[in-house]
Amino acid sequence: ETGVTQTPRHLVMGMTNKKSLKCEQHLGHNAMYWYKQSAKKPLELMFVYSLEERVENNSVPSRFSPECPNSSHLFLHLHTLQPEDSALYLCASSRVRGDEQFFGPGTRLTVL
Amino acid sequence: GESVGLHLPTLSVQEGDNSIINCAYSNSASDYFIWYKQESGKGPQFIIDIRSNMDKRQGQRVTVLLNKTVKHLSLQIAATQPGDSAVYFCAETAAETSYDKVIFGPGTSLSVIP
Repeated sequence: ETGVTQTPRHLVMGMTNKKSLKCEQHLGHNAMYWYKQSAKKPLELMFVYSLEERVENNSVPSRFSPECPNSSHLFLHLHTLQPEDSALYLCASSRVRGDEQFFGPGTRLTVL
Repeated sequence: GESVGLHLPTLSVQEGDNSIINCAYSNSASDYFIWYKQESGKGPQFIIDIRSNMDKRQGQRVTVLLNKTVKHLSLQIAATQPGDSAVYFCAETAAETSYDKVIFGPGTSLSVIP
């Protein structure tokens, strides 16, 4: 596979569930990002990782917990979410911080 | 992705005509601007970028114009094709944030009429 992949593509969860979103990039990039795209707001940056170190946390609630075990993989662990967290969660990567970002197809999350 | 509930500005153009999509940005310190295209069910895709030391940049069938005086950005698509139908986002970022904080506009939905 090439580019940025995300799994699952669709996820439905209850408010008490714990789930994880996975992102993998096959581009040899050193920076990875999580974005939230909801129906009522523009695309919002959530987290930035550079060389596996978190460099930006954009005031995201603690029920979202990112993990970057290596430069190719990025996870978003979800716990006790709210219905308003329903959105498309997009992962992106770039060669280095601030460089052109390549987006994955997103995970469509629905919280019931 | 779907945009249920979000009333995006919509632009409808005839196939073969030129399209102009406009964007106002907010931060006068922004010095790097990007246009993205997002087709249904896909993530945003980079189209073209421009730095603040330029006022025009051309790509293949696309041109971006930057007016820093009024903080306005536009994307021109020449000879619009059905495959250009998508939501288009402008984005701004700045050296003061190491270009990490990319702020996206709300998007414009472009529909091409065959």
